[in-house]
Amino acid sequence: NAGVTQTPKFQVLKTGQSMTLQCAQDMNHEYMSWYRQDPGMGLRLIHYSVGAGITDQGEVPNGYNVSRSTTEDFPLRLLSAAPSQTSVYFCASSYSGGASYEQYFGPGTRLTVT
Amino acid sequence: AQSVTQLGSHVSVSEGALVLLRCNYSSSVPPYLFWYVQYPNQGLQLLLKYTSAATLVKGINGFEAEFKKSETSFHLTKPSAHMSDAAEYFCAVKSSASKIIFGSGTRLSIRP
Repeated sequence: NAGVTQTPKFQVLKTGQSMTLQCAQDMNHEYMSWYRQDPGMGLRLIHYSVGAGITDQGEVPNGYNVSRSTTEDFPLRLLSAAPSQTSVYFCASSYSGGASYEQYFGPGTRLTVT
Repeated sequence: AQSVTQLGSHVSVSEGALVLLRCNYSSSVPPYLFWYVQYPNQGLQLLLKYTSAATLVKGINGFEAEFKKSETSFHLTKPSAHMSDAAEYFCAVKSSASKIIFGSGTRLSIRP
């Protein structure tokens, strides 16, 4: 199993450009989420999904869109990048329900917006 | 709303000394609580989790945490620090809406 994969690893954007961060998992996990990590602020939840076709907002959703058309993929879209979106982005997945929600994290995407 | 507070953004201990990283949570329902570790330039990996079974939870690499409802705490401990424990540690709570919320993290340094 590849686990959780994220592409690209690094990206530089200019203000106003759009892009999609890719996330895929091969563990048949229902639950997937996106976080951003900034110094001193820990990980902040952007959006999450409890299954295909179902998404919801996290703590900091503004400026980001998601969709979940398959169990495996959960892309994060930046429609018009801003310097405030410079961050490291992590995707995570887990089984949901019961005693689980143990999240498996991808290696991260480091995004710089100039 | 559920939240976690990690006391101390940076903790430094000597090799062989006790490690204590503090986490307090806020939750209106019985919480699921987690500790994750992040080594430099890597993603996060689970150390341990509390899911309302035993209040003392043992994790990987000799770490353990105790759930104390009366104190709303879930502090992480390790009896004897090793140089390889240097990393950033995050406490997290699962909310009733299935959101998993993280604390701001504690960077652990180990002095030789």
